Amino acid sequence: DIQMTQSPSTLSASVGDRVTITCRARQNIVSSLAWYQQKPGKAPKLLIYKASNLESGVPLRFSGSGSGTDFTLTISSLQPDDLATYYCQQYASFPRTFGQGTKVEI
Amino acid sequence: QVQLVESGGGLVKPGGSLRLSCAASGFTFSDYFMTWIRQAPGKGLEWISSITSRGRSIYYADSVKGRFTISRDNARNSLYLQLTSLRGDDTAVYYCARAAGYSSDWPSGYWGQGTLVTVSS
Repeated sequence: DIQMTQSPSTLSASVGDRVTITCRARQNIVSSLAWYQQKPGKAPKLLIYKASNLESGVPLRFSGSGSGTDFTLTISSLQPDDLATYYCQQYASFPRTFGQGTKVEI
Repeated sequence: QVQLVESGGGLVKPGGSLRLSCAASGFTFSDYFMTWIRQAPGKGLEWISSITSRGRSIYYADSVKGRFTISRDNARNSLYLQLTSLRGDDTAVYYCARAAGYSSDWPSGYWGQGTLVTVSS
């Protein structure tokens, strides 16, 4: 199984801050990496696929980068609506593993 | 628009069984790779099973292999998950999800609202 490790587990920031979340895969997954946003009581929402491709309708302040084993989700200017938990997921192989999540507090 | 509606959750005793359903609409169901993902209360996301568009290939997490069975009925636009030998650690919200693209090489782009399964005596 490919273990996915996210950091930090919790992040406190202010509106307007630049926020970075990292995700590390135990082995090379090339660019088969997705980022999801989950707000309290809601289903997850896909933000980024193939490591750096923004899903349709997702605000441009979200961006993804990386390849191989190290990946990053960046929110360029944090907004109140971004209060959520963010998960990375590898889909290079089965089982499709998630990171443990990063809770963003504002 | 794409809609996925799960049903079938509820309270079940340890060792019991349950069948979850996911009704799909707004897209050609038979074209897409589908997945079940669960989330225990207060915990993270856990991928548990996926099935290819025609049901020819199926994948399971080790935690559910031999106990859960994924299936689909393309004529009914429905995805299913049969849960057997349920344990307390199967308590979770169960989500069905559709791949963002046509093949299995895509992440889950559309999710249902989830259905809660509670395993307790």
